[in-house]
Amino acid sequence: TAGITQAPTSQILAAGRSMTLRCTQDMRHNAMYWYRQDLGLGLRLIHYSNTAGTTGKGEVPDGYSVSRANTDDFPLTLASAVPSQTSVYFCASSDNGGNEQFFGPGTRLTVL
Amino acid sequence: GENVEQHPSTLSVQEGDSAVIKCTYSDSASNYFPWYKQELGKRPQLIIDIRSNVGEKKDQRIAVTLNKTAKHFSLHITETQPEDPAVYLCAAKANRDDKIIFGKGTRLHILP
Repeated sequence: TAGITQAPTSQILAAGRSMTLRCTQDMRHNAMYWYRQDLGLGLRLIHYSNTAGTTGKGEVPDGYSVSRANTDDFPLTLASAVPSQTSVYFCASSDNGGNEQFFGPGTRLTVL
Repeated sequence: GENVEQHPSTLSVQEGDSAVIKCTYSDSASNYFPWYKQELGKRPQLIIDIRSNVGEKKDQRIAVTLNKTAKHFSLHITETQPEDPAVYLCAAKANRDDKIIFGKGTRLHILP
């Protein structure tokens, strides 16, 4: 069982370009999340999804979009990247009943 | 929405001594409070959690206490050891949605 995976591991992106960060889980978890982690700021919630077909805004949703077409995948898209989106991005999933979140390995994104 | 404050941002303790990290939350509807440990360059991993129907929970050297009236919860690590240095993250979640909001984290250093 792979658990939860993210791709790519790292990426350097020119400002103004678009980028999709991929996240896949094989645990059949209903809920999925995207966080960004910046030094000294902990994990900040970008978007989340309670179940396939639904999404919600987190603390810092501006500049990001998500979709949840099926249970397993939860891609995060930056339509036009800006340097302030340089961060480490973590995807996570949880079984709604259990609440424990399982995190992916993270994607380190640098926007120049 | 929920706001989670975490203190201190950095904590240094002598090996063998205890460490205490405190968090406060704003949403009285929050009822699930997990703690995650994140080692350098790794993903966060759950170490202990507590639900609002209990006041304290222990697991070997770690314990969490919850004061619902004051809306704060704390992580206690006793007999600190060389494997304990990491960033510790608290979080809070309400049943009304699946948002899990994190504090900014505490970097724990263990002095030899």
